[in-house]
Order: sequence, then C-alpha cells, then structure tokens
Amino acid sequence: AQSVTQLGSHVSVSEGALVLLRCNYSSSVPPYLFWYVQYPNQGLQLLLKYTSAATLVKGINGFEAEFKKSETSFHLTKPSAHMSDAAEYFCAVSAGGSSFNKFYFGSGTKLNVKP
Amino acid sequence: NAGVTQTPKFQVLKTGQSMTLQCAQDMNHEYMSWYRQDPGMGLRLIHYSVGAGITDQGEVPNGYNVSRSTTEDFPLRLLSAAPSQTSVYFCASSPRVGAVRFPQHFGDGTRLSIL
Repeated sequence: AQSVTQLGSHVSVSEGALVLLRCNYSSSVPPYLFWYVQYPNQGLQLLLKYTSAATLVKGINGFEAEFKKSETSFHLTKPSAHMSDAAEYFCAVSAGGSSFNKFYFGSGTKLNVKP
Repeated sequence: NAGVTQTPKFQVLKTGQSMTLQCAQDMNHEYMSWYRQDPGMGLRLIHYSVGAGITDQGEVPNGYNVSRSTTEDFPLRLLSAAPSQTSVYFCASSPRVGAVRFPQHFGDGTRLSIL
C-alpha cells in the first residue's frame, strides 16, 4: 500500500528565507512522487514529479525536490521565498500503472510567507 | 483554451436532494477523475474514467455516481445528499501519455454545502 505523510500542516517563513516542506512516503513498490500547489479558491497545479529518472527534480517557480530512497523522503525546497509562494502544497504518491486508484495525496502544508 | 471547467462554483443543498456536478475539458484528454477535498485530509478519489464509456470507483465512491458518454464530459451525481458530503469537489483530466497516471489539469472546484 502507498501513503504519504506531510510533516507540519502550517509552515511560516520570512520573505527571502529557505522554504522546506517535508514529505515522507511509504510504498511497497518503487514510487512515483509528485508535488502540487493550490492557491486560494483554485484547483491544484502540478509543481514537479519524480518518475525514476534523476533524483533531484526541478519544477516550476524555482522549486525543487530530492528523492531519497534511504530516508523514504521527497522534501520540497526553494532557496528564497517570495510572497507569491504563499499557498497550500500537497505531496502525492503513485505506485504507477494504468489505474488512478493507485494515486494518493498527503494532507497538505499551508505555507505562509511573512514580509 | 478553457482547460477543465466545473459548474456550478457554489451550491447549497438540503439533505436528501440530488444534483449533478458538471465537468468538461476541451483538451481531448482520455483520463478524467473526481476528487473531494476536506480540511486536513488532502484530496480523495471518488470515481475516475479512462475513456468514454469506462468508469471505475476510487477510494470514497459511496453516494456518488458517474458516467462518461463523451470524451469531453464527466458529470458527478449525488443521489441523495447527506451532510457528510459537504466538501469541495475537484475534477481533473490527464492525457494518455507515459506509463504513470496522475491528475494533471484541475478545475477550480465546486464548493458544496449540504444542510
């Protein structure tokens, strides 16, 4: 079975500071991992995805994530936070294959950016 | 290019009423799915479709029906609304590309309250 745990439902950083959003997964097979962002009153947008190629994945808006198998982690980082990064971020895992019912979201982390 | 369009954006129902949430996409995507989003729980899959005439259940299908008569449309029906179905509902679509199935384009959501 697959699942994801996002540590910290709320994270607050100052503008210009490092952003680190944590995601740990459990999977019985090599996983595919994803990060999505949700701005208020909008649907989710795909930030980046890991599908067993390079372990360091670069996404949109300056975000990146590193797949660490030994730690079962896929943390999202950005070197310098911007006010526009304030949103909710979701980690997700898939065991792959042709069925959507093998895709699971974490509970989300709301990022607050202070001026 | 409209992407994924959900209607209505807001709806209030009384317990026992039925209604249909509409979802349409104009990208000729084969895969479509419905999620519900509840506070602190991330998104959970209700139903999904891998093409016209083909649907299947997700994680939380009880109380909901779907059909897919065309590639473009994937309506979600609440048969007899219950307060537990108060939630934000998202429709997503994905093209048939690659080995990994994941929701790629989301609508802006339907906010549903059941009294």
